Amino acid sequence: QLALTQSPSASASLGASVKLTCTLSTGHGSYAIAWHQQQPEKGPRYLMKVNSDGSHSKGDGIPDRFSGSSSGADRYLIISSLQSEDDADYYCQTWGTGTHWVFGGGTKLTVL
Amino acid sequence: QVQLVESGGGLVKPGGSLKLSCAASGFTLNDYYMTWIRQAPGKGLEWVSYISSSGSAERYGDSVRGRFSISRDNAKKSVFLQMNSLRAEDTAVYYCARANWGSGWYYIDSWGQGTLVTVSS
Repeated sequence: QLALTQSPSASASLGASVKLTCTLSTGHGSYAIAWHQQQPEKGPRYLMKVNSDGSHSKGDGIPDRFSGSSSGADRYLIISSLQSEDDADYYCQTWGTGTHWVFGGGTKLTVL
Repeated sequence: QVQLVESGGGLVKPGGSLKLSCAASGFTLNDYYMTWIRQAPGKGLEWVSYISSSGSAERYGDSVRGRFSISRDNAKKSVFLQMNSLRAEDTAVYYCARANWGSGWYYIDSWGQGTLVTVSS
């Protein structure tokens, strides 16, 4: 069954970098994923999609501080030069025939 | 720019019905699949339903199949979600979202601001 696993929480200091992980279920390691950010009390915002080869493409207006990469079944969201507005929930999302849209449980990022 | 604006949420009693609307602008609606995704209070995101660009195909998540119905009116640039036999567990913010095709898969690339549905007696 297609599924995505994320750590529930992460933290990093203002100005530092952080790497969030989204892991694809067994047998689905070649799938691409998308990352979405949800700031407190707001709707989600699309950040980027990340392919299995590590290539990624960002949504309009997403700062250069945000990037993506891959390793095996893991897909990463890397945020550098952390700012206070990066304090948010981050969700990964993929798609499969039959299962359709699948979301990870989300990672709550705290900027210290 | 792409804009999705949901409306129609509110308080409804268990067993009742509600119809959500999503007004789309800034892009050609009939070029895209559209989805509804919900988020229960304090919880993560759950896919609810999608409809193909022409409206000829639709699918539903297990938790709403048989109770919810998605539709669209491309001429009026709108997508709808008819929700019947509502339950307390349907309480959530409902988001309208655009699905984009990415070489073999669909990803969400635009979201609305959401509309809150509360099911309570």
